[in-house]
Amino acid sequence: KAGVTQTPRYLIKTRGQQVTLSCSPISGHRSVSWYQQTPGQGLQFLFEYFSETQRNKGNFPGRFSGRQFSNSRSEMNVSTLELGDSALYLCASSLVGQGAYGYTFGSGTRLTVV
Amino acid sequence: DQQVKQNSPSLSVQEGRISILNCDYTNSMFDYFLWYKKYPAEGPTFLISISSIKDKNEDGRFTVFLNKSAKHLSLHIVPSQPGDSAVYFCAASVKTSYDKVIFGPGTSLSVIP
Repeated sequence: KAGVTQTPRYLIKTRGQQVTLSCSPISGHRSVSWYQQTPGQGLQFLFEYFSETQRNKGNFPGRFSGRQFSNSRSEMNVSTLELGDSALYLCASSLVGQGAYGYTFGSGTRLTVV
Repeated sequence: DQQVKQNSPSLSVQEGRISILNCDYTNSMFDYFLWYKKYPAEGPTFLISISSIKDKNEDGRFTVFLNKSAKHLSLHIVPSQPGDSAVYFCAASVKTSYDKVIFGPGTSLSVIP
């Protein structure tokens, strides 16, 4: 079966711009979680969506937002980009209530802010 | 406030020897623990997990030990192979919130042939 697909793979943006990242989960997975990976910080939890509703949220500023569509695809948006937002953004999908058991990650989107 | 800690950013081990990766956590509500492995340019992949009702779980060359009183877990890889060279993330979750998984900062393991 197809894995988790994240697009684009690489992105370069300028400070102050906004960016939208996309994630298509594994077919049948209804939960999508987003993580930010930076050196030394590991994977920081951004938010988790299920049935188009945000169920969990991490400690990120309001510039980070997301949404989920009826087909479970998810997007995350970062507005007013800062240099510190440069990171690998990972999306993970899972069956309902099984994130701890069955996370499948995409390969990520590498965002560079200049 | 980092709830899951991996205090060793890197570890080097000779091929064939044991690799021991450590993880500490602060939240006593965590009741499910996982290890993920990540190669460059790929997303993390699930390796092994353990429930808080157990103190050991084995899967082939990989064994995870949990010490709840010390809020500590460790991953043992025996014998270590060059293909094990990757970043290893420890992660934890709470039963009532399975879909919020907290990851540690990772330990980069290098297995030297």
